[in-house]
Amino acid sequence: GENVEQHPSTLSVQEGDSAVIKCTYSDSASNYFPWYKQELGKRPQLIIDIRSNVGEKKDQRIAVTLNKTAKHFSLHITETQPEDSAVYFCAAWGAGSYQLTFGKGTKLSVIP
Amino acid sequence: DTAVSQTPKYLVTQMGNDKSIKCEQNLGHDTMYWYKQDSKKFLKIMFSYNNKELIINETVPNRFSPKSPDKAHLNLHINSLELGDSAVYFCASSQDANEQFFGPGTRLTVL
Repeated sequence: GENVEQHPSTLSVQEGDSAVIKCTYSDSASNYFPWYKQELGKRPQLIIDIRSNVGEKKDQRIAVTLNKTAKHFSLHITETQPEDSAVYFCAAWGAGSYQLTFGKGTKLSVIP
Repeated sequence: DTAVSQTPKYLVTQMGNDKSIKCEQNLGHDTMYWYKQDSKKFLKIMFSYNNKELIINETVPNRFSPKSPDKAHLNLHINSLELGDSAVYFCASSQDANEQFFGPGTRLTVL
């Protein structure tokens, strides 16, 4: 089955700096890669996603890049703000599997 | 409108008891899921139902039994609760390989 590795597990940045979270996946047939943000005590919510036919996608301060050859994808947050502090999860959808496999999460702390 | 709802929000019970968690989605999605999130925040898939058919069972103990009366509902029944079952349980739904919408979670505490 699919295996998703996520790094780092914790990340502290100064407000205004950029944050990068990286994930690798094992199943070359995976074709959908969402990122979820989970604030303390809340449900995970989608912040951005990318499909295997696209190399990069951007939404305001958030961007995701995908390298299918290397089987890794990354989340980039620019001009971080305190409200970006949360746990971020990457995930991969295995083709034909009806399942998202999640990484173990990255706790991002943005220091004012 | 609430897209995915679950009840109860909190559940405190004694070891050995049986409990159920209910989930409903009004998004018309074909697939619903149960996830367990432990104290380390790992999100682990437990079950997936597609059009009322179980399509994944991730080696969860058979004390856990999902039941889907229709494609808008996926309930989770747990028998003989153990301390290690304490966690937050999230229901979610999606339409194929698209955004999964999560419910608010049920925090289960087994004493």
